[in-house]
Amino acid sequence: GENVEQHPSTLSVQEGDSAVIKCTYSDSASNYFPWYKQELGKRPQLIIDIRSNVGEKKDQRIAVTLNKTAKHFSLHITETQPEDSAVYFCAASNNAGGTSYGKLTFGQGTILTVHP
Amino acid sequence: DAGITQSPRHKVTETGTPVTLRCHQTENHRYMYWYRQDPGHGLRLIHYSYGVKDTDKGEVSDGYSVSRSKTEDFLLTLESATSSQTSVYFCAIRLTGSGNTIYFGEGSWLTVV
Repeated sequence: GENVEQHPSTLSVQEGDSAVIKCTYSDSASNYFPWYKQELGKRPQLIIDIRSNVGEKKDQRIAVTLNKTAKHFSLHITETQPEDSAVYFCAASNNAGGTSYGKLTFGQGTILTVHP
Repeated sequence: DAGITQSPRHKVTETGTPVTLRCHQTENHRYMYWYRQDPGHGLRLIHYSYGVKDTDKGEVSDGYSVSRSKTEDFLLTLESATSSQTSVYFCAIRLTGSGNTIYFGEGSWLTVV
């Protein structure tokens, strides 16, 4: 089955700096890669996703890049703010259809702390 | 909230007792999932459903069973709870028509003592 590795496990940055979180996946059939943000005691919430036919996607201060050949994808947060502090999870799935459609395999999570 | 609710939200139970967690949705989504979240492990899939009475195992299904007798409810049962099943349990649905993204419920905190 799919295996997703996420690094680093913790990341501490100063407000205004950039933050990068990296993930690798094992199953070359995976074609959908979402990122979730989870605040303490809350549900994981989707912040951005990318599909295998796209190399990069941006949404304001957040961007995700995908390298299918190397089987890795990354989350980039620019101009970080204290409210960006949370746990971030990457995930991968194969959305090609069938009964197992869309099962997500998650990375272990990154605790991001943004210091004012 | 995409019409998804979990119950109970918090429960403390004793080792060896059965426990059932309920996930209820109001928007007729076909795919539903149960994940557990533990420190250092991220979220791991327990079971999922792709329709009424259609379920399958995820990566950590031992000790758990599920049922889906109607579209709106997906039940997760711990037949005989153990301390290793102390965790946060998240139900999720696949939102059709929105890029098919996965949306999570608010979670159920289960403590087995």
